[in-house]
Amino acid sequence: SQQGEEDPQALSIQEGENATMNCSYKTSINNLQWYRQNSGRGLVHLILIRSNEREKHSGRLRVTLDTSKKSSSLLITASRAADTASYFCATDAVPEKLVFGKGTKLTVNP
Amino acid sequence: DTGVSQDPRHKITKRGQNVTFRCDPISEHNRLYWYRQTLGQGPEFLTYFQNEAQLEKSRLLSDRFSAERPKGSFSTLEIQRTEQGDSAMYLCASRSWVDGYTFGSGTRLTVV
Repeated sequence: SQQGEEDPQALSIQEGENATMNCSYKTSINNLQWYRQNSGRGLVHLILIRSNEREKHSGRLRVTLDTSKKSSSLLITASRAADTASYFCATDAVPEKLVFGKGTKLTVNP
Repeated sequence: DTGVSQDPRHKITKRGQNVTFRCDPISEHNRLYWYRQTLGQGPEFLTYFQNEAQLEKSRLLSDRFSAERPKGSFSTLEIQRTEQGDSAMYLCASRSWVDGYTFGSGTRLTVV
């Protein structure tokens, strides 16, 4: 069963705009990870945030984690057409077993 | 290339046939994982190896599925008597004790 649920399921924006995706999960976690998947390809690890962290940055990515609400958000600033992909959150409530949500499909229009 | 390699990239097979996929992890990674992803869904855990030992298997892994990792290096995932419901992307990932997961590009299986 899926632990995380991303919201929205699909997002379409113009190049240069910011994109925000949210993830909710059900049980306590050690960390939460975000991945990107281009159409028909494998997953690329973007960022990991530990349960004792509230915010993390990596380049144009900003991730927040609210363990009291069991939710996380991924912000991509100044989006580019190359950011078009599906984005998944994954949690490790069970060791060695990542549980993924259904993903947010992001389209960045040039 | 120092990433995770999967072979083949695509496989079309007739229902009832057996198929085998291969995954070559990053050489220094002792842990290897198989996930399955169906269209419009996130990946789902199938099984996990630490070195050559298969330590956990999902209920998704029916008796028709078998995975091996001889000598703790590459891994194979075999599906016997394939069914249309087996059509999916099969993803392999590896990691060391401290690194995050590195995923391969996947093998897309179509059962016709």
